[in-house]
Amino acid sequence: QALLVQSGGEVKKPGASVKVSCRTSGYTFTSNGINWVRQAPGQGLEWMGWISPHTGNTNYALRFQGRVTMSTDTSTSTANMELRSLTSDDSAVYYCARDLVSGFFPSPFDYWGQGILVTVSS
Amino acid sequence: DIQMTQSPSSLSASVGDRVTVTCRASQDISNYLAWYQQRPGKVPKLLIYAASTLQSGVPSRFSGSGSGTDFTLTISSLQPEDVATYYCQKYNSAPRTFGQGTKVEIK
Repeated sequence: QALLVQSGGEVKKPGASVKVSCRTSGYTFTSNGINWVRQAPGQGLEWMGWISPHTGNTNYALRFQGRVTMSTDTSTSTANMELRSLTSDDSAVYYCARDLVSGFFPSPFDYWGQGILVTVSS
Repeated sequence: DIQMTQSPSSLSASVGDRVTVTCRASQDISNYLAWYQQRPGKVPKLLIYAASTLQSGVPSRFSGSGSGTDFTLTISSLQPEDVATYYCQKYNSAPRTFGQGTKVEIK
């Protein structure tokens, strides 16, 4: 049974950066990709990007390119997501989510972190 | 990018009713379509993938169908615990876009 546990909520000022971590357990970390999804208050789900813990390859949604960096630490089975130049529009719950299918095949998300709230406010 | 459009945006039905939610892709995505359930204040949960494959542990009253651009999620007999927002997602390629969601309530 996979488990994804995220770091605590954050409050940031506009223009700052936030780094969110997602510690995994219960499976081989390098076997399945990790995705980041966010949800603004009262809004729908937005896919931000994907990283392969096996290769470090990333694929970012166009609207976040240049502002987001996803990384992994295989020694601790942890995925990280850093978002820079925050604005109030970035206030949201941020989730990590594991690919159901291992490898590089198209995949939905079977296990999710609990989500953490990032609030951007002056 | 391929757009995913769900309908309706919300619906209200009685316990025991058959409920149908539709998802339309702006381009052919074959069967690379998933459905998620998000109960209020909870984490999204994978219900169906490959358009019609039920994820392990999901009740059999949930079913999915479709291929290409038109997909359907059906709840055969609505239960109180099914109150949630349902999202479709295409995952054939990046970006793995979600639909805007369909909120299901009990009448």
